[in-house]
This record gives sequence, structure tokens and C-alpha cells, in this order.
Amino acid sequence: EPEVTQTPSHQVTQMGQEVILRCVPISNHLYFYWYRQILGQKVEFLVSFYNNEISEKSEIFDDQFSVERPDGSNFTLKIRSTKLEDSAMYFCASEGLAGPSYNEQFFGPGTRLTVL
Amino acid sequence: AQKVTQAQTEISVVEKEDVTLDCVYETRDTTYYLFWYKQPPSGELVFLIRRNSFDEQNEISGRYSWNFQKSTSSFNFTITASQVVDSAVYFCALSESEPGTYKYIFGTGTRLKVLA
Repeated sequence: EPEVTQTPSHQVTQMGQEVILRCVPISNHLYFYWYRQILGQKVEFLVSFYNNEISEKSEIFDDQFSVERPDGSNFTLKIRSTKLEDSAMYFCASEGLAGPSYNEQFFGPGTRLTVL
Repeated sequence: AQKVTQAQTEISVVEKEDVTLDCVYETRDTTYYLFWYKQPPSGELVFLIRRNSFDEQNEISGRYSWNFQKSTSSFNFTITASQVVDSAVYFCALSESEPGTYKYIFGTGTRLKVLA
């Protein structure tokens, strides 16, 4: 069964460093999302991406964040200058256009980001 | 505005007891989708069910059942004869109708502890 993959599973970085979190969505999906979950809290929407542009973003998704689909398979989240409060689990999700999984997002296993 | 409320922060039950997790939602849309996810200690989000707003039939899947009531804006989840492996955090989520445009709004989750 197709699945969303994310790398790395765990990333440790120093405050102020740039990080790139990578996701490979399901191959025929067209809509892509990033969510964040601070430890012990709820999952929060960051950004949605369709047709090579951001379709919606939350207040959390400020100028320090950017997303990109650099090739036909990867979907990346970049944090330019990490802060301690960026420490969280980051989930990527993708969504198809039609069929039985219509309006269902498939989540990756997450990348745990630790900022020291 | 969209909102999902899971008032139960943590529930503890003894194995084989039945347990119901509550979810109350708010939306202005007439077309929307509701979801339940399980998050085990390993951290991934495990999809359990999707229900659209036009389908008010209750659903049963093995020991799991869901009760959707539009009149009270609730989508409750019952585990029958709970098992230790059911211990996890359970999230209810809401999505409005347009794919790729609308994010999932998650509740704060209910931590279920099933004691042997």
C-alpha cells in the first residue's frame, strides 16, 4: 500500500541553524500539507500546498518557514533559523483528488525536531 | 470558525471495560468531514475513521464504534472490551469540504490508559 515517507525520523540542531525536513508524498497525490505537534499538545496545521504554491497557511507559518516541491517527488519544509520553540514533531500529509480516499489526508510517520 | 473539543484529557480504565471518547465540533459549513486518529507512544498518527456530514449512520469496526449526531455536533468513539494495546492518545479532527484548501483541525486529544 502506498505511504507517505519522511526523513529524517529525528533531527537535532542548534538554535539559529537552518533545517530542512523532507517528505515523499504518495505518487499520484496533488495536495500536500505540513502539521506540527509540540510534545504533549495537539496537532496544528502549518501550511497546505497545491499546484506549486501555498494555498493556505496558519499564523505559525511565519517568514522563518518555507515549503518547496523541488522535484516531482519530494516536498520539503525549511526552517531558516531555528528557535527552541520549534522543537516538535512535524508531520507531512498528502491528499488525492478523487476516489475512495477523497478528502482524506495520508500522514507520514513524522520527523521529531529537537532544537538545543 | 472551526473548532474541535475533546473535553476528556485523560481516561483510565481496566482491561475489558468499555470506554467512550467524546468529540464535539463546531463548523459553519454544511459539508464537512470528521476523523479519528490514534497516536501510540511511537508517535505516528494512525487513521481510524472518516465520516462525512451527510452520513449519520453509526459505524462499527470490530471493537470500535462511532456515534455521529449532527443535532448535538458530536462524533463519539467507543471501544468495547478495551485492551492494553488500546492505550494511546486519540485525536478527533474536522475538515471542511474543499480538498487541498482546508486543513484538518484537531482536538486536544484524549489520553487513554488501559490497565491490565
